[in-house]
Amino acid sequence: QVQLQESGPGLVKPSDTLSLTCTVSGYSISSNNWWAWIRQSPGKGLEWIGYIYYDESVNYDGSTYYNPSLKGRVTMSVDTSKNQFSLRLSSVTAVDTAVYYCAGFDSRGYYGIYWGQGTLVTVSS
Amino acid sequence: EIVLTQSPASLSVSPGEGATLSCGASQGISTNLAWYQKKGGQAPRLLIYGAFTRATGIPARFSGSGSETEFTLTISSLQSEDSAVYYCQQYHNWPWTFGQGTKVQIK
Repeated sequence: QVQLQESGPGLVKPSDTLSLTCTVSGYSISSNNWWAWIRQSPGKGLEWIGYIYYDESVNYDGSTYYNPSLKGRVTMSVDTSKNQFSLRLSSVTAVDTAVYYCAGFDSRGYYGIYWGQGTLVTVSS
Repeated sequence: EIVLTQSPASLSVSPGEGATLSCGASQGISTNLAWYQKKGGQAPRLLIYGAFTRATGIPARFSGSGSETEFTLTISSLQSEDSAVYYCQQYHNWPWTFGQGTKVQIK
């Protein structure tokens, strides 16, 4: 059974960097290409953060596709040794308070097949 | 950015009845649409992709239809476990976007 689990601080100070990790179990992160982060702010809908494309077969360490609305604050990476992928969101403000989900997408990166349960991150001093 | 508008925002249905959820796109997206179910603190679950193809393990009572700007998710013979929020997502133009969701409650 494939499981994804988000981890990281639940409280981040304004202007700091939010860092989250998604640990994948039951599936090799090298076997799928598209790993995504999505968030949901309180009382709002789902918002795409971005995803990272990883292809071990060509020793390719990942192209990234970020939502332009996040204006260069996002960085994603993959750690195959730990079967994890990560999100960093810099210069956070209160509007970044949300439940953050990690997900594994289909082979073309179109829709999410595997999802974590989400982790709440609150931005507050 | 493509905007997806879901309607109604919520509905209450008796067990055994059917429900029709709509998702409208601000521009044509062919059939590049997925539907998800989300219950409480659980992970979203993929129901439909390609507008009408059921994902692995999804019961036949869930069906999708539509193309371009108008899409529908139909749940026939609702069961108590179908109480959830349902979201549509387009993957026609980057960035992918989601609708605001329709909350389905079982009476």
